Amino acid sequence: NAGVTQTPKFRVLKTGQSMTLLCAQDMNHEYMYWYRQDPGMGLRLIHYSVGEGTTAKGEVPDGYNVSRLKKQNFLLGLESAAPSQTSVYFCASRPRPGAVNQPQHFGDGTRLSIL
Amino acid sequence: AQTVTQSQPEMSVQEAETVTLSCTYDTSESDYYLFWYKQPPSRQMILVIRQEAYKQQNATENRFSVNFQKAAKSFSLKISDSQLGDAAMYFCAYRSVQGAQKLVFGQGTRLTINP
Repeated sequence: NAGVTQTPKFRVLKTGQSMTLLCAQDMNHEYMYWYRQDPGMGLRLIHYSVGEGTTAKGEVPDGYNVSRLKKQNFLLGLESAAPSQTSVYFCASRPRPGAVNQPQHFGDGTRLSIL
Repeated sequence: AQTVTQSQPEMSVQEAETVTLSCTYDTSESDYYLFWYKQPPSRQMILVIRQEAYKQQNATENRFSVNFQKAAKSFSLKISDSQLGDAAMYFCAYRSVQGAQKLVFGQGTRLTINP
């Protein structure tokens, strides 16, 4: 009964390093999302996916890439980390429209610091 | 594009009293969903209540209720009989019924409960 699981929970990077955040959901949801949360601001959408093999840009996509090779996983990549990417990252998922009407289910977040 | 505005960065209330958090939004759509999420220090995003725009009746969930004014594009959250466990950041969010059904968040209101 895991729901949405984010790995890792915390990470510190140096400027220029790369890393991948993993989001896994066990609810067979079609749609998945990556958001970032900065102090004094609400969550902002980075990228999203409406199904396996598809991805699309959200509100703040620059500096990030994503992949959805498997339906249950949605990966967020930082190719060359910058201090401006210091944030808390949230993954979320939900069924496709027309299925059971459910809100988005959120993971517990990943706190990422770029030095 | 839709926008959500929470004009109260911080609010405080005495335990057992009632508090109302404000939210306004802007959209050209006629059908949509509105949500209030609670984020305690644990960082979890917890759904508090949701409202379908086509429903005139205001949603209620135990001590939580909303005042949905569609014409005014206003969606406030009322917490009755405030409890210490209600202390958290509260986010108002908008979701279209079309497309990828992305969430658009307000900036958040930090609620403090005074014993």
